[in-house]
Amino acid sequence: QVQLQESGPGLVKPSETLSLTCAVSGYSISSGYYWGWIRQPPGKGLEWIGSIYHSGSTYYNPSLKSRVTISVDTSKNQFSLKLSSVTAADTAVYYCARGTTMMNDAFDIWGQGTMVTVSS
Amino acid sequence: DIQMTQSPSSVSASVGDRVTITCQASQGISSWLAWYQQKPGKAPKLLIYAASSLQSGVPSRFSGSGSGTDFTLTISSLQPEDFATYYCQQANSFPLTFGGGTKVEIK
Repeated sequence: QVQLQESGPGLVKPSETLSLTCAVSGYSISSGYYWGWIRQPPGKGLEWIGSIYHSGSTYYNPSLKSRVTISVDTSKNQFSLKLSSVTAADTAVYYCARGTTMMNDAFDIWGQGTMVTVSS
Repeated sequence: DIQMTQSPSSVSASVGDRVTITCQASQGISSWLAWYQQKPGKAPKLLIYAASSLQSGVPSRFSGSGSGTDFTLTISSLQPEDFATYYCQQANSFPLTFGGGTKVEIK
């Protein structure tokens, strides 16, 4: 059974870098699929942040592109999100998810989400 | 960017009702559309992919239809566990975008 689990600080100061990790169990991250980050501000809808393919190719939301980096660590079977220069607007629940080309690129498995608050 | 517009934003319905949610894309996305269900405090759950394919384990009362710019999610007979917020998402092109959500509430 494939499972995803986000981890990282729940509180980040303004102007600092938000760093989250998504640990994947039950599947080798280098074997295929693609992996994404999606966030949801409190009481609001879902926003795609970016995705990384097993080939290493990355795609980012242009609204965040200058501040986002997504990377994969195959030795630890995990992928990571870094979002720099954060402000209060980046306060949200952050989800990692698996995307599958076999389902027209839908996200079929999601982590439980982790709440990140940006505040001094 | 492709804008995804969902309607209604909320709907009140009773157990056993048929509920229809629509999603319109600002440009054609073929069948590159997914539907998700989200309950409070939980991660979204994939219901439908490729516009009309039912994800494994999802009850058959859920169905999806459409292609191009207009899509529909139908719940044929609403059950108590279906009260949630539903989102559509296009995967035709980057950036991937979601609809604003439809909250299905108890009448």
